[in-house]
Amino acid sequence: EIVLTQSPGTLSLSPGERATLSCRASQSVSSNYLAWYQQKPGQAPRLLISGTSSRATGIPDRFSGSGSGTDFTLTISRLEPEDFAVYYCQQYGRSPTWTFGQGTKVEIK
Amino acid sequence: EVQLVESGGDLVQPGRSLRLSCAASGFTFDDYAMHWVRQAPGKGLEWVSGITWNSGNTDYADSVKGRFTISRDNAKNSLYLQMNSLRAEDTAFYYCAKDVGGSISWYRRPFDSWGQGTLVTVSS
Repeated sequence: EIVLTQSPGTLSLSPGERATLSCRASQSVSSNYLAWYQQKPGQAPRLLISGTSSRATGIPDRFSGSGSGTDFTLTISRLEPEDFAVYYCQQYGRSPTWTFGQGTKVEIK
Repeated sequence: EVQLVESGGDLVQPGRSLRLSCAASGFTFDDYAMHWVRQAPGKGLEWVSGITWNSGNTDYADSVKGRFTISRDNAKNSLYLQMNSLRAEDTAFYYCAKDVGGSISWYRRPFDSWGQGTLVTVSS
């Protein structure tokens, strides 16, 4: 079973700073089928990135994804006030088919 | 605009059953696989179950296999989750989610639209 481990658990940053979030898989992720979601309090998750690096419709270009194999990164180049949220990575295509990391909270410092 | 509206969440006793529904609109429902994802209060996301556009394939997390059944009615643009033998650890918000679609296998698609969730509480 593939397990995704996100780090850090919490990231304390100021608006305008760069955020780097990590997602590490216990086994190689099939064909880089790795997605990132953003969730704000009281809201449903929103798809940001799929296929490791493809931004979803309407997602600003300050969000970027990279990585391969077992190590993946979500980068937010310059944090906007609306970016403070919890971020989850998800792998798909490998049993159990759709699994999530435990999340990284990006909070205002 | 894609809309997914879940309903059916409630407070139930352990061992009892509950059926969740998800009403879909704003897209061609039978073009997409659909899923249920849950989130215990204050915790992370857990995929629960998925179903292909024509109900030909379903899949379940090990934690619910044999207790939960996913189904859909394309004529009614609706997705369902029948939950039997409920346990305290099933307590969570349950989200309905739509996959991104396309020609690739449904196992290789993430989720691009989510409902707001419905709360299931299992407690005596």
